Amino acid sequence: DVKVTQSSRYLVKRTGEKVFLECVQDMDHENMFWYRQDPGLGLRLIYFSYDVKMKEKGDIPEGYSVSREKKERFSLILESASTNQTSMYLCASRGASGIPSYNEQFFGPGTRLTVL
Amino acid sequence: QQQVKQSPQSLIVQKGGISIINCAYENTAFDYFPWYQQFPGKGPALLIAIRPDVSEKKEGRFTISFNKSAKQFSLHIMDSQPGDSATYFCAAKAGNNRKLIWGLGTSLAVNP
Repeated sequence: DVKVTQSSRYLVKRTGEKVFLECVQDMDHENMFWYRQDPGLGLRLIYFSYDVKMKEKGDIPEGYSVSREKKERFSLILESASTNQTSMYLCASRGASGIPSYNEQFFGPGTRLTVL
Repeated sequence: QQQVKQSPQSLIVQKGGISIINCAYENTAFDYFPWYQQFPGKGPALLIAIRPDVSEKKEGRFTISFNKSAKQFSLHIMDSQPGDSATYFCAAKAGNNRKLIWGLGTSLAVNP
C-alpha cells in the first residue's frame, strides 16, 4: 500500500514565522502535490513537483514555496506565515505515466495549520 | 472560473436511499474522471474513476454515469449507509496533464 505521511497533524504558529510542512511518500512516485483545503473552496493546488528539484506553480502559489531535494520528500514552506494561511494542508503523490493506476493521487492525512 | 462544477454542495439521504452527486465540465479534452471520498480527519482517497469511452462504471454500490454529449458525469450511491457519510469530490484530467481539476465537493450525510 502507498503511504503518504505528513510531519504534523496539527500545527500552531505565530504571524511572521517561517513554517515548514513536510511530506514523505514510500512508493517511489515521481509526482507530488501540495493542496490546501478550506470549507466551500474544495482542494486548491499550491505547487506540484514532477521530479527531484523540479516544481511548478499551482493555482494559489502566492506566499508559499516548495523544496524537493529527494524523490520521496516534498516540503511546503511558508516564508512568513499570515492568518489567511490558516487551513488544512494536504500532500499527495502520484506515479509516472505508464505504470498501473498512474492517474491515482494518494493523499496524506493532512496538517491543520493555525496561524495566530 | 470553475472548470468542474459540482452539485449539490450538501446532501442528506436516509439509510437505504440513493445518493446522487453531479458534475459538469466544459473542457472537451478531459479524458479521465475520478471521484474521491474523504472522511473527517483523513485525506481524500480514490473511490472510482471512468474514461469517456464508456457510459457507466459500477463498483459495488457505487456507479459513475457519464454523458459525453452533455459533458456531465455523476456518482450514484445505491443503498446508502451511514458509513458512506463523507465529502465527495469529482475531478477531471486531460491527457498527460499532471494536474487534476477538482469540483468543490459535496458533503453527504446518511441518516440511520
